[in-house]
Amino acid sequence: NAGVTQTPKFQVLKTGQSMTLQCAQDMNHNSMYWYRQDPGMGLRLIYYSASEGTTDKGEVPNGYNVSRLNKREFSLRLESAAPSQTSVYFCASSFTLGQPGETQYFGPGTRLLVL
Amino acid sequence: AQSVSQHNHHVILSEAASLELGCNYSYGGTVNLFWYVQYPGQHLQLLLKYFSGDPLVKGIKGFEAEFIKSKFSFNLRKPSVQWSDTAEYFCAVNADNYGQNFVFGPGTRLSVLP
Repeated sequence: NAGVTQTPKFQVLKTGQSMTLQCAQDMNHNSMYWYRQDPGMGLRLIYYSASEGTTDKGEVPNGYNVSRLNKREFSLRLESAAPSQTSVYFCASSFTLGQPGETQYFGPGTRLLVL
Repeated sequence: AQSVSQHNHHVILSEAASLELGCNYSYGGTVNLFWYVQYPGQHLQLLLKYFSGDPLVKGIKGFEAEFIKSKFSFNLRKPSVQWSDTAEYFCAVNADNYGQNFVFGPGTRLSVLP
């Protein structure tokens, strides 16, 4: 099993450009998440999908959109990139959100630089 | 809202020293608690978790953590660190009936000197 995979690994954008970060998991998990990681701030939840067909905002959703394409795939879109979105983006998945002891599994991350 | 604090931003130890990283959370209800590790250039990996039972939890690579409910704490310990433990460590909390949020602390960077 590959676990959680993300593409691309690294991306440079100019302000105003758009892009989509891709995430896929092969663990048959129901729930998927997008986080951003910034120095000194830990991981902050952008959006999550509790199950196929549902998405909800997390702590920092502004400037982002998501699509749960199917059970395996959960994409994050930046419609008009801003320098404040320079960050490392992690996708994660878990079997079923809200279950006691539920554990998240993380992808390798995408480093995004917005100039 | 839940929040998670970690006591130290950066800890520097020599090999064989003992380690304790502090973690406190703010939620007063039933919680699930996690420690994740991120080695340089890698993704987050689960070290250990607590969701019920014995408050002393043992994880991988010789790490353990103790849940003290009265102190809202979940401190990570290792009796003797190795150079390979150099990494960033994140505490995370998920409230049992809070559903969506896994709330992460800001992280503690551990540097182990050979």
